[in-house]
Amino acid sequence: KAGVTQTPRYLIKTRGQQVTLSCSPISGHRSVSWYQQTPGQGLQFLFEYFSETQRNKGNFPGRFSGRQFSNSRSEMNVSTLELGDSALYLCASSTRLAGLKDTQYFGPGTRLTVL
Amino acid sequence: AQKITQTQPGMFVQEKEAVTLDCTYDTSDPSYGLFWYKQPSSGEMIFLIYQGSYDQQNATEGRYSLNFQKARKSANLVISASQLGDSAMYFCAMIREGAQKLVFGQGTRLTINP
Repeated sequence: KAGVTQTPRYLIKTRGQQVTLSCSPISGHRSVSWYQQTPGQGLQFLFEYFSETQRNKGNFPGRFSGRQFSNSRSEMNVSTLELGDSALYLCASSTRLAGLKDTQYFGPGTRLTVL
Repeated sequence: AQKITQTQPGMFVQEKEAVTLDCTYDTSDPSYGLFWYKQPSSGEMIFLIYQGSYDQQNATEGRYSLNFQKARKSANLVISASQLGDSAMYFCAMIREGAQKLVFGQGTRLTINP
């Protein structure tokens, strides 16, 4: 079974631009979660989508948004980029059927650099 | 609120030795799950092992075992017979019932020396 894929793997943008990141979950997984990883703040939860609906949201400004398509693929968008948005963005998928045991499997991440 | 604390920023271990990575957590939820992930330099988070708050036995997965002490709120990862390929960042994470949000610790960088 193919794992979680994320595109692109690397991105360089300038302040004020916007960016869209893509995540394809493991086949059969309908939940997609996004995390931001920075050296200062560590790993922080952005949001989760399940059945095309945002189910959980972390403490990030409205510049961070996402969506999920009917095939469970998800996109994350960041508008008006700031230098502090430079980070590794990780996507994780799960079945959301196993309760607390529901394991999230991560993709390789997209490394975003904002200049 | 949930919180995970990993007090060892870095650890150095000789190949073939066993290593214990510490994780303590804080939560008021009666039901929760604890996960360990490995992150090599490539960046991908690799799931290692899971322990549920109501599990009676400590979880094991191959060379990985979890030393779960509920009263002390600790969930230490034990890697037996360490290998060079075990060199990576290791993260402890927690999830609460009904929420799909993982809360991570700051991680421990493990280096295995030949």
